[in-house]
Amino acid sequence: GAVVSQHPSRVICKSGTSVKIECRSLDFQATTMFWYRQFPKQSLMLMATSNEGSKATYEQGVEKDKFLINHASLTLSTLTVTSAHPEDSSFYICSARDPPRGTEAFFGQGTRLTVV
Amino acid sequence: GENVEQHPSTLSVQEGDSAVIKCTYSDSASNYFPWYKQELGKRPQLIIDIRSNVGEKKDQRIAVTLNKTAKHFSLHITETQPEDSAVYFCAATQGAQKLVFGQGTRLTINP
Repeated sequence: GAVVSQHPSRVICKSGTSVKIECRSLDFQATTMFWYRQFPKQSLMLMATSNEGSKATYEQGVEKDKFLINHASLTLSTLTVTSAHPEDSSFYICSARDPPRGTEAFFGQGTRLTVV
Repeated sequence: GENVEQHPSTLSVQEGDSAVIKCTYSDSASNYFPWYKQELGKRPQLIIDIRSNVGEKKDQRIAVTLNKTAKHFSLHITETQPEDSAVYFCAATQGAQKLVFGQGTRLTINP
């Protein structure tokens, strides 16, 4: 299947700082990428849809000024958690589709964020 | 928007027995229903999927059934093995739109 790479896989940051997570489609172009958050023992919840060259679409209840999304190229979307707090500690995971390969969504490895 | 309900939340079966996980969805426009297996700290892995123009799909020990009228779909795992232990998620989507996930089922296979 298609390859989606996410970096970093783990990050620990101090409260009040910002953290950037990258999501790359390595062997296809992705005009749309999806960002999910998963708290321990819970499901994946969509945070936002990242659109190349335009503004991201945020789900209800997700603060767009706190979770900044940039999708400046067809192979890279970034999620920046600004002014992180301990309650932002979670598993963040991106996904993308490659339409020529069908409807399957391909996921990045995920990023375990711990805010101390 | 779409809402996906998944049951049970936990399931424990004896090795060799079958496991069934059920999901219901709310949006009749949804037409793609994947199932994922997720191990701790890892990304979800697609194990099987079904489209709305098909009622059943099978891949070795894994099968999925879809009832469009009732808006529910189920995952069936036969001859379960210890390595089947994981968390399983169903999801629903319309075309290339966002995936909406069920709450997950923690499956434990007892030797």
